[in-house]
Amino acid sequence: GESVGLHLPTLSVQEGDNSIINCAYSNSASDYFIWYKQESGKGPQFIIDIRSNMDKRQGQRVTVLLNKTVKHLSLQIAATQPGDSAVYFCAESLPEGGYQKVTFGTGTKLQVIP
Amino acid sequence: AAGVIQSPRHLIKEKRETATLKCYPIPRHDTVYWYQQGPGQDPQFLISFYEKMQSDKGSIPDRFSAQQFSDYHSELNMSSLELGDSALYFCASSKRTGFGGIQYFGAGTRLSVL
Repeated sequence: GESVGLHLPTLSVQEGDNSIINCAYSNSASDYFIWYKQESGKGPQFIIDIRSNMDKRQGQRVTVLLNKTVKHLSLQIAATQPGDSAVYFCAESLPEGGYQKVTFGTGTKLQVIP
Repeated sequence: AAGVIQSPRHLIKEKRETATLKCYPIPRHDTVYWYQQGPGQDPQFLISFYEKMQSDKGSIPDRFSAQQFSDYHSELNMSSLELGDSALYFCASSKRTGFGGIQYFGAGTRLSVL
């Protein structure tokens, strides 16, 4: 379901280290998951997606892991850079009446320490 | 590549006034979504349209209405504005597929109600 986070969880990472951002999704019927990155004052931007029939997907410097048993999603960013500083949202998508309903999870703020 | 275009980027209104936000989706995208995002909060889904028909409704106040026109652009109409309506309003568009459907977001309209 929907979630409202007045105080975003924050992850502080040293530049060059790997970052892991976690997300718990709510509906076991969700069949598609998306990670978005939102920089200050901008709209969310698609990073990577994964279907429920997969447990891992890799992109450029990013990897998404899906654990359906515990309804958990993670985004791993390799060699974190200052430009990665942003709020990251996971979104779950589930089929509903011939339509894919997308629900955003609580964002995580990533702060990269130079 | 063309992106989602929102106008205006900034809007200042007084209490009890009305506001109209516009969204031009990516060409050939058939679904438009509206979100409201308060400071430090997740995007809250308001309403969506598929092929000019309302497809889903979220936490949209009765004072707000929206529609999608024949050229697929959408407008969010907000009446009797309240201080609490001050937020970033995002529009996103997607092409409905049989699976998933990544939403592409515009840069948002920042509404300030004084």
